[in-house]
Amino acid sequence: DGGITQSPKYLFRKEGQNVTLSCEQNLNHDAMYWYRQDPGQGLRLIYYSQIVNDFQKGDIAEGYSVSREKKESFPLTVTSAQKNPTAFYLCASLSGDTSGANVLTFGAGSRLTVL
Amino acid sequence: GQQVMQIPQYQHVQEGEDFTTYCNSSTTLSNIQWYKQRPGGHPVFLIQLVKSGEVKKQKRLTFQFGEAKKNSSLHITATQTTDVGTYFCAGPSAGGTSYGKLTFGQGTILTVHP
Repeated sequence: DGGITQSPKYLFRKEGQNVTLSCEQNLNHDAMYWYRQDPGQGLRLIYYSQIVNDFQKGDIAEGYSVSREKKESFPLTVTSAQKNPTAFYLCASLSGDTSGANVLTFGAGSRLTVL
Repeated sequence: GQQVMQIPQYQHVQEGEDFTTYCNSSTTLSNIQWYKQRPGGHPVFLIQLVKSGEVKKQKRLTFQFGEAKKNSSLHITATQTTDVGTYFCAGPSAGGTSYGKLTFGQGTILTVHP
């Protein structure tokens, strides 16, 4: 089945530790995105990549880093510099549908809790 | 910066009642998208509206895009328990260079009592 796989689904981290969230897609999509979701706040863009070996900061990139060495993979590292990392992290890729819309397809998400 | 506001934040309805969520952008949008997130799940694309005044229907769901392309609404007729979830609107971020760079509303959480 084609789709986006995020792992781990749940992650607990101690303060001061870096953690990397995995995002893999087999949809052959060029553009990939990381969004963060907090209760009552919708989704906010962290980083995005439109092509291999290139990525851009989103609205809340501070304390995060990414890489895009392969088309299929777009891992997100939450560093110790991120002041409030507890959140639900969603990876997405972009495709077009039959109506011509540019559609974000999301993975199942990774829920990070900092203890 | 660009803001997309959604109201209400919560809506509780009895099964069979109608439901509406409203979305307002601080800037004119080239298009607006709607997503649904089931409890414990991830957002799933519902629809995109592009034209001023556009109305689109998907079974019991009716989507509208305002004449000024700054507001939108989603109306569900005769809600069912399968409609529960959070409904988000999203528009292209100002200055965005990528179609997937969206500004999302806060979402409306819909609960349906059987």
